[in-house]
Amino acid sequence: AQSVTQLDSHVSVSEGTPVLLRCNYSSSYSPSLFWYVQHPNKGLQLLLKYTSAATLVKGINGFEAEFKKSETSFHLTKPSAHMSDAAEYFCVVSGPSNTGKLIFGQGTTLQVKP
Amino acid sequence: KAGVTQTPRYLIKTRGQQVTLSCSPISGHRSVSWYQQTPGQGLQFLFEYFSETQRNKGNFPGRFSGRQFSNSRSEMNVSTLELGDSALYLCASSSRLGASGTNNEQFFGPGTRLTVL
Repeated sequence: AQSVTQLDSHVSVSEGTPVLLRCNYSSSYSPSLFWYVQHPNKGLQLLLKYTSAATLVKGINGFEAEFKKSETSFHLTKPSAHMSDAAEYFCVVSGPSNTGKLIFGQGTTLQVKP
Repeated sequence: KAGVTQTPRYLIKTRGQQVTLSCSPISGHRSVSWYQQTPGQGLQFLFEYFSETQRNKGNFPGRFSGRQFSNSRSEMNVSTLELGDSALYLCASSSRLGASGTNNEQFFGPGTRLTVL
């Protein structure tokens, strides 16, 4: 079975400082992994995805994530936080390959202080 | 290209009523998935439709049902509403069945917020 654990429910950073949102996954097969962002009263937007190509994945808005199979981790990072980054972030693992089912982590709220 | 649209955006119903939510996928997309988002349970998969057929179903009671039309638009229905059905219902569309693979991104709509009183 597949599962995702986001290790922090809330992360607070100052504008201009690095962002680290942590995610561990469990999967019985080689998964696809995603990070989605949700701004208040908005739908989910895909930040980046890992699909067994390069282990370091670059996404939109300066975010990137590194797939580490040995640690079963897929942490999201950004070198310098911007106020507009404040949102809810979800780490997601794909279900079986013949399904569009996505399995979401519980989410991490990122607060960016001026 | 227009994104995924969901109607209505907000709904208020009372216990015991039924409700129908609509999702129009991105033009050309044939797969539509539905998710329920609540503060307690997070985001949970409801079901997935592809070419008018339900392909996968999550762990929800039979009160939750859906369908997909020949133009790929999808509706979900919840009968005999309970207070716990209050949630944000999100739909996502993709061009192919399945979430994995390089080119099969799921695009989410803004959601329908259902409040059950």
